[in-house]
Amino acid sequence: DAGITQSPRYKITETGRQVTLMCHQTWSHSYMFWYRQDLGHGLRLIYYSAAADITDKGEVPDGYVVSRSKTENFPLTLESATRSQTSVYFCATLRGGPYEQYFGPGTRLTVT
Amino acid sequence: ILNVEQSPQSLHVQEGDSTNFTCSFPSSNFYALHWYRWETAKSPEALFVMTLNGDEKKKGRISATLNTKEGYSYLYIKGSQPEDSATYLCALNNDMRFGAGTRLTVKP
Repeated sequence: DAGITQSPRYKITETGRQVTLMCHQTWSHSYMFWYRQDLGHGLRLIYYSAAADITDKGEVPDGYVVSRSKTENFPLTLESATRSQTSVYFCATLRGGPYEQYFGPGTRLTVT
Repeated sequence: ILNVEQSPQSLHVQEGDSTNFTCSFPSSNFYALHWYRWETAKSPEALFVMTLNGDEKKKGRISATLNTKEGYSYLYIKGSQPEDSATYLCALNNDMRFGAGTRLTVKP
């Protein structure tokens, strides 16, 4: 079925480890986003991408790296995980223009 | 940076009450505003995308209005039901940054 998938859905890792969260879409939407869910802040934008090979920082990019070599994939890497990066991470897509944004199911990451 | 503000932060109403809350945004360079409903332990779900000043959109008991000149949008829920309990988020299409949300709790 078409849509957005995120993997893994749950991840526990240790401080200092590198972790990559995957996001895959089947729609070929131009825009893709990574958000984290933070208490009191709702959803905060980490990075976004307007097209393959085009990425830009959001509100909270420090400690994260993204790439987008293919339109359908937008992986998020935590270079050296910290406890403050424990959160639920949501990937989303947007076709472009005044259309709806669609969210993936989320990845719950715990950094011990 | 475009700041999106939502108020109130939380709201508790009785079943059957009608309610509304606000999303404020910078009015310059407006393109579109998105409203979402976000239930606990689920992903945000799109409600409306609003583009024109004076726009009014409706989905069942939920409706929204838009004033791009003064930079605000209202979300209304008529006859709230317990299943309406969720966090309601808004975001500007310019960079898809969200407000902190309004958490609605509807008591039976």
